[in-house]
Amino acid sequence: DTAVSQTPKYLVTQMGNDKSIKCEQNLGHDTMYWYKQDSKKFLKIMFSYNNKELIINETVPNRFSPKSPDKAHLNLHINSLELGDSAVYFCASSLRESAYNEQFFGPGTRLTVL
Amino acid sequence: AQKVTQAQTEISVVEKEDVTLDCVYETRDTTYYLFWYKQPPSGELVFLIRRNSFDEQNEISGRYSWNFQKSTSSFNFTITASQVVDSAVYFCALSEANFGNEKLTFGTGTRLTIIP
Repeated sequence: DTAVSQTPKYLVTQMGNDKSIKCEQNLGHDTMYWYKQDSKKFLKIMFSYNNKELIINETVPNRFSPKSPDKAHLNLHINSLELGDSAVYFCASSLRESAYNEQFFGPGTRLTVL
Repeated sequence: AQKVTQAQTEISVVEKEDVTLDCVYETRDTTYYLFWYKQPPSGELVFLIRRNSFDEQNEISGRYSWNFQKSTSSFNFTITASQVVDSAVYFCALSEANFGNEKLTFGTGTRLTIIP
């Protein structure tokens, strides 16, 4: 059984389009995250949610809007896509909102904006 | 602010050699956690180890060992008798125990290539 799953795995789209990436975890965790990994492999947190509430928003453009319908899901919607949005997006979850808990990552979604 | 530095961008070693990946961190907190993650060519991120700031004991797990030294703010990772399957990008990460801001800050990663 996949612990943290993301769909789609690959997403190719034109500039200006709106797209969504879905994430689901079946680990019973309270906290979920979105990370962006750029072409140089640099990983940076974008958002974290704890029990459907936004906890961390790391100076991400307003075009990115996370939505958590329940604590097992954290989706990422991106409006007006730009070339610089091309990256791999990782969803992750942890047991609780605590620095102690390791995070479990999904397989990643490779977004390519043309 | 927290920061993690992995000065080695790429390392290549011949199979069966030992290799050490360096990690240096910066934090103002006295309570924090250090992590290592592995990202193989398939792309997923795999958790390897967590260490808290109050536990400086070194840890060994099979061919993997970790050396945590607060005096030098380092958390280095050694692979003994490397194998081709160890080829991956390895990330060191830090999390401070600040309520409401418990985020992972990653280093830039070290790409390890094991040559058969």
